[in-house]
Amino acid sequence: NAGVMQNPRHLVRRRGQEARLRCSPMKGHSHVYWYRQLPEEGLKFMVYLQKENIIDESGMPKERFSAEFPKEGPSILRIQQVVRGDSAAYFCASSQGFGAGVDEQYFGPGTRLTVT
Amino acid sequence: AQSVTQPDIHITVSEGASLELRCNYSYGATPYLFWYVQSPGQGLQLLLKYFSGDTLVQGIKGFEAEFKRSQSSFNLRKPSVHWSDAAEYFCAVARRGGATNKLIFGTGTLLAVQP
Repeated sequence: NAGVMQNPRHLVRRRGQEARLRCSPMKGHSHVYWYRQLPEEGLKFMVYLQKENIIDESGMPKERFSAEFPKEGPSILRIQQVVRGDSAAYFCASSQGFGAGVDEQYFGPGTRLTVT
Repeated sequence: AQSVTQPDIHITVSEGASLELRCNYSYGATPYLFWYVQSPGQGLQLLLKYFSGDTLVQGIKGFEAEFKRSQSSFNLRKPSVHWSDAAEYFCAVARRGGATNKLIFGTGTLLAVQP
């Protein structure tokens, strides 16, 4: 019974390179959330996606960041031309979708991005 | 703007002692309320949640939390702490009836347990 999978767990990139972070939701889940945790801070919401749709990207930086959740395959968070300030832990969470009450989100182990 | 405050950045308790972690929120209406725990290098695990009904909520690992509307608080408690409870604890809220269930997190409380 696999939970939310994220890979890679650790990613090192030089300034100016691209970073691609992958998230496979739990089986049966069609909703994905991405959060960022900067050093010594809480998690900050970035984006909420359903299959093939971005529902809420109010937490995404306006430039260099993009996210997708295709019909087939994992959700991808892409950071172009990384800078040192992008160094953080990026967490993905998945949920089943709205039922009665709020959806419970299940978190993956995170990807720790280091920009050198 | 919605916000979550965890006033204690770091707490140390002795094993077997009781624990209370504070959480206050600022919101237009009563949100959904959550407590998560994060062990070093790991993802977040849900301890408990409040949606409606009884204001005292029981969670996993012997934790409980009490919702107090008048104080806009949702404090986490445990009667007897175990060494394995050492971790970081996050309080979070989500808006009722919104288009998304995005979580707004506090900055966390790091719990250390002394033998």
